[in-house]
Amino acid sequence: KQEVTQIPAALSVPEGENLVLNCSFTDSAIYNLQWFRQDPGKGLTSLLLIQSSQREQTSGRLNASLDKSSGRSTLYIAASQPGDSATYLCAVISGNTPLVFGKGTRLSVIA
Amino acid sequence: EAGVAQSPRYKIIEKRQSVAFWCNPISGHATLYWYQQILGQGPKLLIQFQNNGVVDDSQLPKDRFSAERLKGVDSTLKIQPAKLEDSAVYLCASSLAGSSGEQFFGPGTRLTVL
Repeated sequence: KQEVTQIPAALSVPEGENLVLNCSFTDSAIYNLQWFRQDPGKGLTSLLLIQSSQREQTSGRLNASLDKSSGRSTLYIAASQPGDSATYLCAVISGNTPLVFGKGTRLSVIA
Repeated sequence: EAGVAQSPRYKIIEKRQSVAFWCNPISGHATLYWYQQILGQGPKLLIQFQNNGVVDDSQLPKDRFSAERLKGVDSTLKIQPAKLEDSAVYLCASSLAGSSGEQFFGPGTRLTVL
């Protein structure tokens, strides 16, 4: 059974810092990994999708990497801004199972 | 391009009452998902449709939850009767290319059961 863990559960940083969010999964036979952002009381916004054959994806100040063999992904946020404050969720698809989510990392960027 | 639409946004009911949620996916997306997100947790899949057929409903509490997607477009999720532990956000998502495709989520319906 696939399990997804995100560390840390919460993170508070001053504006301008570069930061890394971590995601690990137990079954390395994945189809893809997706990073989402969730603002309080809102739905999920897709940030980046990494296919199993890819090592990383970039979008603006965001960079996500994937290491299937070690069951890990990282989301790198450069030059953080207060508007980046949200919960970041990692989810994987593997085998016949649908998206399995971690519990998320709650990020606060302090101006 | 319009996103995934859901209604209502909020619903408050008493336990043992019934409730229904509606979802309209992104146009052309054949796959539709319903998730339950309890406060502080990641979303958990309840049911997945491919067009109007059920692909996975293994985590749907079938004694009280039901869902349908009759014409392969809109979908409804129903809870009857509701329990206190059903209080959660119900998220609908859709994707173009089945389970391996990128999923796009609606704003969710926040259900409170008193």
